[in-house]
Amino acid sequence: EVQLVQSGAEVKKPGESLKISCKGSGYSFTSYWIGWVRQMPGKGLEWMGIIYPGDSDTRYSPSFQGQVTISADKSISTAYLQWSSLKASDTAMYYCARLVVTGSSTSFDPWGQGTLVTVSS
Amino acid sequence: SSELTQDPAVSVALGQTVRITCQGDSLRSYYASWYQQKPGQAPVLVIYGKNNRPSGIPDRFSGSSSGNTASLTITGAQAEDEADYYCNSRDSSGNPVFGGGTKLTVL
Repeated sequence: EVQLVQSGAEVKKPGESLKISCKGSGYSFTSYWIGWVRQMPGKGLEWMGIIYPGDSDTRYSPSFQGQVTISADKSISTAYLQWSSLKASDTAMYYCARLVVTGSSTSFDPWGQGTLVTVSS
Repeated sequence: SSELTQDPAVSVALGQTVRITCQGDSLRSYYASWYQQKPGQAPVLVIYGKNNRPSGIPDRFSGSSSGNTASLTITGAQAEDEADYYCNSRDSSGNPVFGGGTKLTVL
């Protein structure tokens, strides 16, 4: 079974750093892009960026460029999303998902269970 | 702002057919994929490619496309189909993009 398992919920203070993880299993982790998606409370899905674990090629949405860092450790089939200085506005649910690209079709499947990040003083 | 546009809310009577649409220029070149998200749960892929359903997705879900508009059709909507639905494709730079989402209410 293809599966992505994310790290647990986090509660942080503004200015703190954070790194959350997404571990893949059941498929060749280095052969598919992994994407990170933000969902703020009561809002829609926003694509943040993607990484190809095979060579760590990374692309960011312009909205998130410079705000977060995406990385991967292919030796342990794990992708990461990190912040160096959190803001209250980073409070959201964060999902990772495997990106499947075939010709003119792009889809995210499966998704991790999500990691809730709460930033509050 | 999203490069894929969806109606914020749609309703359907139980057992009837509903179409949820997604508009964007990139849909002239790329297929849309569709996701269902129920409260408190992660999104689930329901349609991808020309009209493909992942294993476990009921055949009442189907997809189609014409010009700059992609559609998700639910034929014979069930109470359990009440959820938020998001379309996804690529933007003008070839990167992923999501529509704003449609809240489906089954009456």
